[in-house]
Formats: sequence, structure tokens, C-alpha cells
Amino acid sequence: DAGITQSPRHKVTETGTPVTLRCHQTENHRYMYWYRQDPGHGLRLIHYSYGVKDTDKGEVSDGYSVSRSKTEDFLLTLESATSSQTSVYFCAISEAQANYGYTFGSGTRLTVV
Amino acid sequence: AQSVSQHNHHVILSEAASLELGCNYSYGGTVNLFWYVQYPGQHLQLLLKYFSGDPLVKGIKGFEAEFIKSKFSFNLRKPSVQWSDTAEYFCAVNNNNDMRFGAGTRLTVKP
Repeated sequence: DAGITQSPRHKVTETGTPVTLRCHQTENHRYMYWYRQDPGHGLRLIHYSYGVKDTDKGEVSDGYSVSRSKTEDFLLTLESATSSQTSVYFCAISEAQANYGYTFGSGTRLTVV
Repeated sequence: AQSVSQHNHHVILSEAASLELGCNYSYGGTVNLFWYVQYPGQHLQLLLKYFSGDPLVKGIKGFEAEFIKSKFSFNLRKPSVQWSDTAEYFCAVNNNNDMRFGAGTRLTVKP
């Protein structure tokens, strides 16, 4: 498998607290993505990055921000966690644009109580 | 915005049965099509992909999919399923770096 790791794997946090999830890749791929997976919705794009400091919003970006200061790291921050953000979060990478498909990380299960 | 529909929410089959999972999309332009599989507790893995050429695409583990442009469909098939195929299957459609996923189909294969 491609070198992509997510941390933490599991997290429980309280409503209103900020939370940061990390995605780290060793493949030097240009494109990185954050998705959330919820039953009945499949995967929905939160934010993506097409290079260092170059990011854009996806279809469910409200309440989330991202940063990419290095090629290998893509951080997702929940500015003030809410119960509706309880989900499984997946990071994905691709060498070129999405045309060639993604490689996914193992996911972070986040519970907001 | 384009959308992806997977017709079956949960499919239950016995081992050796044939499988077909439906996938339809709404976008009419040039698309790239994918099927991903997610085994219990794991991340998504690419099963197969279509870009152009032969509309019948063969992937890993004996899976194949057929792109029918006139029907906006990309159905996944396997002639004989195994217990180890128990997983969730996601269809995805990409147009101009806008990748959309279906809601997924859970496949349970009974031994």
C-alpha cells in the first residue's frame, strides 16, 4: 500500500472543542483530500489540496478548515466540534488529478459528545 | 452537480452466486468511473477503473464492470462470490477533478 497514515485513529471529544486530524503521506503526491463517511451518504468531500498552501472547499466544508504547509502533511481542523461532525474521516491522495483514482488512509473515527 | 446512485443498499448472497451491483450517474460529459471496496474496519481500496476504450473493465479479485454510456451506468459484476467478498462497495464518478461517491452497497456473502 502507498504510504499514507492518519492520526489519531480514534478520538472522542466534547462539543465546542477544536479538533485537528492529521494526514501524512510519503508518496510525494500533489493532491490530497479529506472525506467524511456517514451511513447512507457514502463519502463526501470536505476539502482538498492541489499543492502546498493551495486548498479548496468540497461539498461539506462548513465547520472545517484545512492547512497544508508541507507536501506530506494535510491537516483537517474542526473549529468547534458539534455532534453532527461525529463521523469517520478519510484522507486520500492522488498523484495527478482524480482521474486516476485515489489511495485512501485507514480513517479516523471521531465521536463528538 | 453530478450525482451517483447505487440501487441496492444491502445485498445478501450465498457463496458461488453471481453478483451484479448497479451504479448510475447523472453527469452527461466525459467521466472517469471507479469501484472501490471497503472490507469491515478497513479503508477503501480501488477495485477497478474506467477511463476510455473497452467498456468492459476487469479488476482485481475477479471483479469486472461494464460502462454503458447510453444508460449512464457502470455496474459491477462477479460470476461467483466468496465469503471473503463480504464488504461495502462504492461506485465513484469523476469529472474534471470533481469526484462523487455513491452511498454504497453492503454485500453479505453467506458461507
